[in-house]
Amino acid sequence: LAKTTQPISMDSYEGQEVNITCSHNNIATNDYITWYQQFPSQGPRFIIQGYKTKVTNEVASLFIPADRKSSTLSLPRVSLSDTAVYYCLALLRGNTGKLIFGQGTTLQVKP
Amino acid sequence: DTGVSQDPRHKITKRGQNVTFRCDPISEHNRLYWYRQTLGQGPEFLTYFQNEAQLEKSRLLSDRFSAERPKGSFSTLEIQRTEQGDSAMYLCASSPKLGGQGDLRSSYEQYFGPGTRLTVT
Repeated sequence: LAKTTQPISMDSYEGQEVNITCSHNNIATNDYITWYQQFPSQGPRFIIQGYKTKVTNEVASLFIPADRKSSTLSLPRVSLSDTAVYYCLALLRGNTGKLIFGQGTTLQVKP
Repeated sequence: DTGVSQDPRHKITKRGQNVTFRCDPISEHNRLYWYRQTLGQGPEFLTYFQNEAQLEKSRLLSDRFSAERPKGSFSTLEIQRTEQGDSAMYLCASSPKLGGQGDLRSSYEQYFGPGTRLTVT
C-alpha cells in the first residue's frame, strides 16, 4: 500500500482558499487518491477521489500532477465549519477492504 | 435517518469487564467494517465483513476481541476482560456492493457511524 505524507496541521481564515498537499512517492499504477474529512466526535466522511489531472465536486477540488507523486486538496473559501481533520489515502482501484488512515492534517479555520 | 448507527454512543466500564457494541449499517450495504481510533490518530482497521463472512482481521484484534455479523445485517463487537489500553473510539462503517466498471466511488467510499467511545477505568 502506498504511504502518504501530509502536514500535521494548518491554519487559515474564513473566506480563504486552503490547499492541503499530500505526498505519495510510491503510488502504484492502480491506486486512486481519496480524501476523507473528519469532524470532532464524528466518523470520517468521503470528500473526493481522483486518478490524475483535476477533479471537482460540490465540496472540493483535487489536483493530481502527471507524475502522481503528490496531490493537492483545495477547499474554496473556507468557513469555520470546515475546521476538521483531512486524511489523504491511496487506494487500489476496486478496493473492497480496509482504509488505511495516516495522522491526517488538522485544519483550523479562524474568524 | 438512514445512515450507519452505533449503540451505545458512550460506554464507561471497569477494567476486566466485558463490553459489547452494536452497529447497524445502511440497509443495502453488504460490506461492514470496524475501526478503532485513539486521540490524535487516524482510525485503525480492525475487521471487515462481506455479508455474514468475516474476511479480514487486523493483528490489532487480539483474542479478547470478537466480532460477528449474523445474517449479514447488524454487527456486534465484543471486548472481553477490558484493559485501559482499550479506551478508544470504536467506529463502524459500511459500503455497498461494487457495481459495474464505472462504479469507482463505491470502491473508496465507506459510510461511517458516529462511533462508540469506550472508557476503561
